[in-house]
Amino acid sequence: AQSVTQPDIHITVSEGASLELRCNYSYGATPYLFWYVQSPGQGLQLLLKYFSGDTLVQGIKGFEAEFKRSQSSFNLRKPSVHWSDAAEYFCAGREPDGNKLVFGAGTILRVKS
Amino acid sequence: GAGVSQSPRYKVAKRGQDVALRCDPISGHVSLFWYQQALGQGPEFLTYFQNEAQLDKSGLPSDRFFAERPEGSVSTLKIQRTQQEDSAVYLCASSFGGLVDTQYFGPGTRLTVL
Repeated sequence: AQSVTQPDIHITVSEGASLELRCNYSYGATPYLFWYVQSPGQGLQLLLKYFSGDTLVQGIKGFEAEFKRSQSSFNLRKPSVHWSDAAEYFCAGREPDGNKLVFGAGTILRVKS
Repeated sequence: GAGVSQSPRYKVAKRGQDVALRCDPISGHVSLFWYQQALGQGPEFLTYFQNEAQLDKSGLPSDRFFAERPEGSVSTLKIQRTQQEDSAVYLCASSFGGLVDTQYFGPGTRLTVL
């Protein structure tokens, strides 16, 4: 069965420091991959997506993610975190010919000043 | 333009009551999805519509859950005889429906069953 794993439940980083959130997937074929962010009381906002092609994907708010087939990973990165980045981040996958998203359990990011 | 809207934003129900949750997708979006997000977890797929046709309802947890989209636009998720385990945030998403489309999510309805 398809699955998406986010190994870190909580991560704390200092403001201005770099960030990497981990995501691993298990699919028969290479899935489409997404990162969403959810702030308290808000819906899920799409940060970036990977369908095919260039394995380094740029998103909104200065985020990027790199697809690594050999490691079945799609880690999210940001070079310098801002206090407003504190939120919960979800990685999700979808089969190329499917429709439903399969989400990881989420990583809660805390930013300390 | 307007995003996906959901109503009510919060719903408290007594165990055994029926509830109806509404989703207004982005205008022109063919596909509509419902997800359930339990506390501390990622969203889990419930059901999917393409226009008015319900093409996948494999994620509905029991026959107490029923979804409809009669005119291919607004959708309603109905839960009959609510149980405490139904307490969760119910998220609606819509997309254009192509193979490389993106799902856009509403703010969700937080259901609390007492």
